[in-house]
Amino acid sequence: EDQVTQSPEALRLQEGESSSLNCSYTVSGLRGLFWYRQDPGKGPEFLFTLYSAGEEKEKERLKATLTKKESFLHITAPKPEDSATYLCAVQESGSARQLTFGSGTQLTVLP
Amino acid sequence: NAGVMQNPRHLVRRRGQEARLRCSPMKGHSHVYWYRQLPEEGLKFMVYLQKENIIDESGMPKERFSAEFPKEGPSILRIQQVVRGDSAAYFCASSPQTSGSQVQYFGPGTRLTVT
Repeated sequence: EDQVTQSPEALRLQEGESSSLNCSYTVSGLRGLFWYRQDPGKGPEFLFTLYSAGEEKEKERLKATLTKKESFLHITAPKPEDSATYLCAVQESGSARQLTFGSGTQLTVLP
Repeated sequence: NAGVMQNPRHLVRRRGQEARLRCSPMKGHSHVYWYRQLPEEGLKFMVYLQKENIIDESGMPKERFSAEFPKEGPSILRIQQVVRGDSAAYFCASSPQTSGSQVQYFGPGTRLTVT
């Protein structure tokens, strides 16, 4: 069975204090790994898709990387508006299209 | 370009009533997915539909839950005889095509409360 584990569960940073969130996964074959951001009371907002080990993608203060067993979301010099829950999800290769989500990392950036 | 739309945003039902949740995918998207987020839990896949077809319902509870995506109109997730354990946020997502790994774009969700 696919498993996605995110750590830490919660993270508090001072504004400008860079850090990384981890997503480890176990799938028989990876079609894609997705990062989403979810604000309270809202739906997940798409950030990145990664397809193969070694791939990296960047958007503003966020950078996502992928290895064969895990992905990292690096946050550089975060701002309070980066506070949210960050979700990782995997899509298995084959005919299935469902996403299997981790439980998320709740990030709080203090001013 | 409108995103995925869901309504109602909030729904309150008494135990035993029916709940009908609606989802309109993004323009140009023909694939719809429903997920459920229970309190303090992660998002769980329920069902994947294309127009007039259920493709994968492996995450759907066997009883009381059904889904459809008709040729015209929104996708509907229907919960019959609701129980307190059905209280959750229900999210719909859509994607444009099946080849490769397509991003699923999520709607704002419907928060169902069963009293």
